[in-house]
Amino acid sequence: GQQVMQIPQYQHVQEGEDFTTYCNSSTTLSNIQWYKQRPGGHPVFLIQLVKSGEVKKQKRLTFQFGEAKKNSSLHITATQTTDVGTYFCAGGLTNFGNEKLTFGTGTRLTIIP
Amino acid sequence: EAQVTQNPRYLITVTGKKLTVTCSQNMNHEYMSWYRQDPGLGLRQIYYSMNVEVTDKGDVPEGYKVSRKEKRNFPLILESPSPNQTSLYFCASSLTNSYGSYEQYFGPGTRLTVT
Repeated sequence: GQQVMQIPQYQHVQEGEDFTTYCNSSTTLSNIQWYKQRPGGHPVFLIQLVKSGEVKKQKRLTFQFGEAKKNSSLHITATQTTDVGTYFCAGGLTNFGNEKLTFGTGTRLTIIP
Repeated sequence: EAQVTQNPRYLITVTGKKLTVTCSQNMNHEYMSWYRQDPGLGLRQIYYSMNVEVTDKGDVPEGYKVSRKEKRNFPLILESPSPNQTSLYFCASSLTNSYGSYEQYFGPGTRLTVT
């Protein structure tokens, strides 16, 4: 079945350093979504990418969708303590109007002040 | 306030005792889904529903049942819970666009322990 791998599993960075998490799917995706989960909280939607090669920015966050629609990345520039949390990608696979969403295992980001 | 509610938030039960976790959303969303979250495994989709009376299996459906009789409700049923179903469960809902689900809203989670 569809698998979505995400690396790294953990990342510890000094405040102000950059951070990147990568997502790879075993199958071509219809779309990819990114979520952030703070400790003790529930996942919160960040963005959806749908087009091959798409790049979207949200302030210090840059999201990319690969040309083959099988991989994606999230890059945070100059991390801040508010960026702490676990970042998940979720790959959508649409079949006859039904969509199965497979989440990656997540990257837990901790910030060293 | 737009939200997804789950009940109960915490539940400790024994093996074999049927239980239902309710999920309700007030945003008129078509898509609803259940996930379980376990350490190191991320979020795994159990079942999803594109609309009323339309449900389909996710990645880990064994041991679970769902129903979608109304658009707003999507209960998760464990007919005979076992200890390996001890987990944190999230319900989510979203609108859909031409690419599938979009911007899932998650409930607060239900922490289930089966002894």
